[in-house]
Amino acid sequence: DAGVIQSPRHEVTEMGQEVTLRCKPISGHDYLFWYRQTMMRGLELLIYFNNNVPIDDSGMPEDRFSAKMPNASFSTLKIQPSEPRDSAVYFCASTQPSGGLADYNEQFFGPGTRLTVL
Amino acid sequence: LAKTTQPISMDSYEGQEVNITCSHNNIATNDYITWYQQFPSQGPRFIIQGYKTKVTNEVASLFIPADRKSSTLSLPRVSLSDTAVYYCLVGDTMDMGRRALTFGSGTRLQVQP
Repeated sequence: DAGVIQSPRHEVTEMGQEVTLRCKPISGHDYLFWYRQTMMRGLELLIYFNNNVPIDDSGMPEDRFSAKMPNASFSTLKIQPSEPRDSAVYFCASTQPSGGLADYNEQFFGPGTRLTVL
Repeated sequence: LAKTTQPISMDSYEGQEVNITCSHNNIATNDYITWYQQFPSQGPRFIIQGYKTKVTNEVASLFIPADRKSSTLSLPRVSLSDTAVYYCLVGDTMDMGRRALTFGSGTRLQVQP
């Protein structure tokens, strides 16, 4: 398996523009997570899906952020309009717990998308 | 959510054993302890996980005392390639519907030649 795939790897845009980040989870994984990492705030969970359904979006910073998972192999994170403070590395991760309590702790992360909003 | 505390940074030399301790005083009965490693410009990578006593895999060992209020990640004979940030996480299983991980600030390990 190729692992979690994210695109683009780098994105530079201007304030006010719409940004769409994409993620392809590992095949067979039912859980998909979006994280954001900055120097100031570290690694933060934004939202996660189970079987394509959003379960917890309490980490989404504001209405400018939205995420979708139209099918089991694709998810998007959209920022509209983008602002300079959105500059960060955005990670997608997936996992497939086998049933035990501990299973969900092993998540597989993608390489991330480095977003710069000018 | 159980909060974790770990040193901000550590330095070591190649060939030495490195032990990184994490405190998690409020760990819940069903919580597991998990460690991740993150290299620059990469996503975090799962290293090891345990519930109590000792767990060992090909990469590291995890020591958990009986009270489970702390844990120690042990990296044997580190090399320059072990330079990374190491995160200690405690899984919150209070709500079985939640599958989220909470990352702290991590420990930045610098291995010198």
